Amino acid sequence: SAVISQKPSRDICQRGTSLTIQCQVDSQVTMMFWYRQQPGQSLTLIATANQGSEATYESGFVIDKFPISRPNLTFSTLTVSNMSPEDSSIYLCSVVGGVFGANVLTFGAGSRLTVL
Amino acid sequence: DQQVKQNSPSLSVQEGRISILNCDYTNSMFDYFLWYKKYPAEGPTFLISISSIKDKNEDGRFTVFLNKSAKHLSLHIVPSQPGDSAVYFCAASAGETSGSRLTFGEGTQLTVNP
Repeated sequence: SAVISQKPSRDICQRGTSLTIQCQVDSQVTMMFWYRQQPGQSLTLIATANQGSEATYESGFVIDKFPISRPNLTFSTLTVSNMSPEDSSIYLCSVVGGVFGANVLTFGAGSRLTVL
Repeated sequence: DQQVKQNSPSLSVQEGRISILNCDYTNSMFDYFLWYKKYPAEGPTFLISISSIKDKNEDGRFTVFLNKSAKHLSLHIVPSQPGDSAVYFCAASAGETSGSRLTFGEGTQLTVNP
């Protein structure tokens, strides 16, 4: 079955630094998304990563803080910029389409970031 | 504004008994609902879904019930097994083709005791 790989799986970061999370899918997918799960809270959609164009951000999330790239149909990155402790979360890549099916979101294992 | 709410952060049941996880929503535009299961250090995995044109959907030990008038859905697991111990998320979307833009609840930690 198709696989979604995220790197890093976890990291401890210093306040004020930036970290880029990578998401690699082993087959082409129509849509890729980035979600965040803050401690004890639900999953929240950050943005839709559009292939060949700028990402579409949800209310409360901005490109300067969370720049996203999607250079092709199998890969995307999310950068968490100028981190603060409030950014400590699990960041999840998710996909729809291709072998994953059109109507069900499939998630990667997530990247757990701790900001000190 | 939490549009999807799971009011029970945790639930503990005995192996073999029924587990009932509940979810309420406020947005009348939601018409497609999903349940995801999440183990530690893994991403959420899709479990079962239901469209608003139905009031019940069953898949093996898992059944989801939808009460549109009450804006309430529930997931029944019977019989419960220790391997079912995980966090369960309820999610909703407006339009089945929008299954990618999901609004999630906070999750319920289910523990099934042997």
